Amino acid sequence: ETGVTQTPRHLVMGMTNKKSLKCEQHLGHNAMYWYKQSAKKPLELMFVYSLEERVENNSVPSRFSPECPNSSHLFLHLHTLQPEDSALYLCASSQESGTDYGYTFGSGTRLTVV
Amino acid sequence: QKEVEQNSGPLSVPEGAIASLNCTYSDRGSQSFFWYRQYSGKSPELIMSIYSNGDKEDGRFTAQLNKASQYVSLLIRDSQPSDSATYLCAVFSGGYNKLIFGAGTRLAVHP
Repeated sequence: ETGVTQTPRHLVMGMTNKKSLKCEQHLGHNAMYWYKQSAKKPLELMFVYSLEERVENNSVPSRFSPECPNSSHLFLHLHTLQPEDSALYLCASSQESGTDYGYTFGSGTRLTVV
Repeated sequence: QKEVEQNSGPLSVPEGAIASLNCTYSDRGSQSFFWYRQYSGKSPELIMSIYSNGDKEDGRFTAQLNKASQYVSLLIRDSQPSDSATYLCAVFSGGYNKLIFGAGTRLAVHP
C-alpha cells in the first residue's frame, strides 16, 4: 500500500457507542494530523503529532481521544459523540523537516452520529 | 478576521477559459502556501505550492504570491470540465507545520 490509508471509509454510530478511526501512512513521514471537515466550513485542525508526541490540541472536546503508537499509525477514539460531530474526518501526514511540503491526506472517514 | 479567506463561489467559467481563484491570509509571517483540489466526496489533493513572491507555473496551473499584500492566487488555463471541484488555499501558520485552510472556492467549468 502507498500513501495514507484510513479505515473505515464510512461509519454510523449511536451517541452511546465507542468506536475508533484508524490511519496508516506509508510515506516515511514523521508528523501526522487529524482534521474535521463539516459542510461549508474550512478544514478544522484537531490534533497534531510530531515524532509520536502530541504537540497541538485545538480545544477539541474530550469525547475525541487521539493515539499515536508509532510514526506510521494514528488513531482517533470516539465515545459519547453528538449529532453535530457528524463530518468527514481526515488524516494527513507530512515530513516535518521544514515548511517546504504540504500534507498528504487519506481518503477520510465519513462519520454519521445518530 | 479569518486566518485564510476565499470567495466560496461558485465560480463558473466556460471550457477553455482561464479560471482565477483568489485567497488572502492574515499571518504576515507565513512563508509557505498551497493549493489543494477537492472533488466532491473525496479528500484534498495537493496541486501547487509556492514560497517566493511572483509566479510559479506547472502545466496549466500558475500560482501567484504577493506577500506584501498577503495574497495568493491560482490560475487555471484552458479550463476543462474535469477541473470542476473545490479549490482550497492553505497557509502554514505557527509552529509544527500547522496548515490552516480556507473554506474553499467551488469552480464549475461548463462545456
